[in-house]
Parts: sequence; C-alpha cells; structure tokens
Amino acid sequence: GAVVSQHPSRVICKSGTSVKIECRSLDFQATTMFWYRQFPKQSLMLMATSNEGSKATYEQGVEKDKFLINHASLTLSTLTVTSAHPEDSSFYICSASGSGVTGYEQYFGPGTRLTVT
Amino acid sequence: RKEVEQDPGPFNVPEGATVAFNCTYSNSASQSFFWYRQDCRKEPKLLMSVYSSGNEDGRFTAQLNRASQYISLLIRDSKLSDSATYLCVVSGNTGTASKLTFGTGTRLQVTL
Repeated sequence: GAVVSQHPSRVICKSGTSVKIECRSLDFQATTMFWYRQFPKQSLMLMATSNEGSKATYEQGVEKDKFLINHASLTLSTLTVTSAHPEDSSFYICSASGSGVTGYEQYFGPGTRLTVT
Repeated sequence: RKEVEQDPGPFNVPEGATVAFNCTYSNSASQSFFWYRQDCRKEPKLLMSVYSSGNEDGRFTAQLNRASQYISLLIRDSKLSDSATYLCVVSGNTGTASKLTFGTGTRLQVTL
C-alpha cells in the first residue's frame, strides 16, 4: 500500500516552455501533498505544501507564479513549471500523506527529472 | 547553521562491518524523526522512524537524544545492498502530515 506515482519520469524541454508534472496517490486519499526539488549532491528542499481543495503554501524563496500547484482531487496534484529556464533543471519529487496511511509519514513518488535546454 | 546536519561521508566499509551515522538538528521543537534511504537518482524511501526510547529493525538501530538534539543510525553486518545515501529527517509535528526537513545525507559504500 501507500503507492505514489509521478508522470513523466523524465522530461527535456526548451527554455521558455512550460512543463506539467503529475503526482498521484494510487491506493489512498492524499489530503496533503508536498513538492520537493533536489539539485545534484544537495538535500531535498521543500517547495510547497498543498491540501486538497485549497491553495498551496509556498516556502520562502519559491515563486508561486512560476511553480503553479493544483491539488484538485484527493488523488492528484500537479506542478507546472512555467517559462522554464536551465536553472530550473532539477529532480522534482512529490510526496503524499493522508487517510489510509500513518498520519505523519509521507510516501514519495519516483521523481521527475527535468532538463531545460 | 543548517537545520539538519549530517556528515556527508562517504563511508567506505567492508561487507559485514558495523557502521554508525550521526545527525544533529537545530529546532528543539522538532517532534518526529526519521531515517530515509535514497539510492542514486531515485526517490527517498522511509527506512525507519526514530523514537525516544530507541528502536531496532533487524540490522538497523536508531537512537534519539532530545537533550542533545542528536539522532543516530547503526547498521550491523553491512550488506552490499546497503550502499546508498542515508537521510536524516525531522518534522515539527506529530500525528499530522507536516513539513519534513532533510539533511544532505550520508553516503555509504559497502565493498567486498
């Protein structure tokens, strides 16, 4: 149980385009989803927290107009990187928590590797 | 000062060795503590939660010292498959989904 999927697993896009990443909880209802970013040899950094049906809460320094998060259902959250630039190239990982899993444990998706050329 | 600090390693140990990782955290209000394992270019996976009384899961033992704000992970009888990066993680709340703060990880390489 507690499986989280992400799509796509890898994406290469040109500078200036937008990329949407999907995060799905497959066997539980994710009331809260988290979006992280990890640069090479660095730790995961939380970008934002989203609760189903409400606006995401962004961490300091993360531009909410650039990283659009939607959590419209209990099984799906999306992250859209708008007008992507090479410095946005990173490993984006979502995690989910909610009913059906231990309250404070988060289960991670397999990540999406974004390369902006 | 980083919120969660770990020795980045790498720790290179032979198969069968015992290895210990340490971690310190700066926020005394932290309530939940975890060790995650992350393989190269993969997502983190929960290894174990860490409790004040200490806890053990097979070859893995975790300890928490709240007074010193210190967490440890001991791996006994290391296997080649234990090679990974071990992430120390703390959270501010218990019982509800809460923001996790990750250390940069300690790299372990187990060799023949």
